[in-house]
Amino acid sequence: KQEVTQIPAALSVPEGENLVLNCSFTDSAIYNLQWFRQDPGKGLTSLLLIQSSQREQTSGRLNASLDKSSGRSTLYIAASQPGDSATYLCAVLKAGGTSYGKLTFGQGTILTVHP
Amino acid sequence: DAGVIQSPRHEVTEMGQEVTLRCKPISGHDYLFWYRQTMMRGLELLIYFNNNVPIDDSGMPEDRFSAKMPNASFSTLKIQPSEPRDSAVYFCASSLKLQGSGGYTFGSGTRLTVV
Repeated sequence: KQEVTQIPAALSVPEGENLVLNCSFTDSAIYNLQWFRQDPGKGLTSLLLIQSSQREQTSGRLNASLDKSSGRSTLYIAASQPGDSATYLCAVLKAGGTSYGKLTFGQGTILTVHP
Repeated sequence: DAGVIQSPRHEVTEMGQEVTLRCKPISGHDYLFWYRQTMMRGLELLIYFNNNVPIDDSGMPEDRFSAKMPNASFSTLKIQPSEPRDSAVYFCASSLKLQGSGGYTFGSGTRLTVV
């Protein structure tokens, strides 16, 4: 059974800091890994998707890396801003098997960026 | 495109009542997913459809839960009878491909409270 763990569970940083969110998964047989952002009381917004054959994806101040063999991904946020405050969720899509098509989510990292 | 549309946004009902949650996926997306989010268990896949056909309903917690997709633009998740432990945020998501580069698009969710 795929298990996804995110560390830290919560993070509070001053504005302007660069930060790293970590995600690990137990089953390396994945199609892709996706990072989402969730604002309080809102739905999920997709930030970055990395296919299993890729090593990283970048969008603006965000950079996500994937090391499938070790079951790890990191989300790097450069020059953090108060508007980045949200919960960040990592999810992996299993490649085949009985859980084919199932996105497995981590519990999320609650990020607070204070001015 | 307006994205994935869910209704209602909030639902408060009494234990024992029937609850119906609704979802309109993005036009052209072949896959539709129902997820449930709670503090204790995080995001869990309940069921997903491909071309209106249920593919995997192993995440549906009990027979009290049922989901239908009568056409490509509409799906319902029904709980009958509802119980307080069903209180959660229910998300609908759609995807063009199961493992394609487009990833998943989530709706804003329905916050269900059963009293």
